[in-house]
Amino acid sequence: QQQVKQSPQSLIVQKGGISIINCAYENTAFDYFPWYQQFPGKGPALLIAIRPDVSEKKEGRFTISFNKSAKQFSLHIMDSQPGDSATYFCAASMLGGKLTFGQGTILTVHP
Amino acid sequence: DSGVTQTPKHLITATGQRVTLRCSPRSGDLSVYWYQQSLDQGLQFLIQYYNGEERAKGNILERFSAQQFPDLHSELNLSSLELGDSALYFCASSPRPEDSPLHFGNGTRLTVT
Repeated sequence: QQQVKQSPQSLIVQKGGISIINCAYENTAFDYFPWYQQFPGKGPALLIAIRPDVSEKKEGRFTISFNKSAKQFSLHIMDSQPGDSATYFCAASMLGGKLTFGQGTILTVHP
Repeated sequence: DSGVTQTPKHLITATGQRVTLRCSPRSGDLSVYWYQQSLDQGLQFLIQYYNGEERAKGNILERFSAQQFPDLHSELNLSSLELGDSALYFCASSPRPEDSPLHFGNGTRLTVT
């Protein structure tokens, strides 16, 4: 019930392309869904987050799509750049507090 | 810079030893979380403190313990270390337990030899 499943494990995209990472959750009590970006040697940094009362949130090139009925959410990175190459984690929590993370996706954007 | 400070950055020790990892939360944050990141387990929640009190416990081994001090810094103590304890240990903080998001430090890389 506490799991968050993330796919794919790794993703290679050409510069300018769209990167899509998907997550699915089981616990319907989750009410906060952030995405974190992690570069080597650094801690995870919040990228964008959504709550289940909206179906989409966009910040610059990053968009979260949320499907409450399917218990799925995804991160879309438009116009992907080499600087976006990093590991991306989806996560979920209920009533704030501790986050349950997906297993991570290693994104590589080729120039 | 997240404002969360973790020391040391790297730690190399032998099996059976005991180490202490330190975390200073962001200014004003009362809640501290510890996470373990290993290649095969991803980011695993260990324990949470709020204003000095334990708030939630995750997959924390009995050999591990933590505390949060009156000045709000936190320490994670790992004892009887095993090779499998080698991992990145992250601290995160938030103003209150119900607040999101969590802000992470840059971690302590522990290597047990």
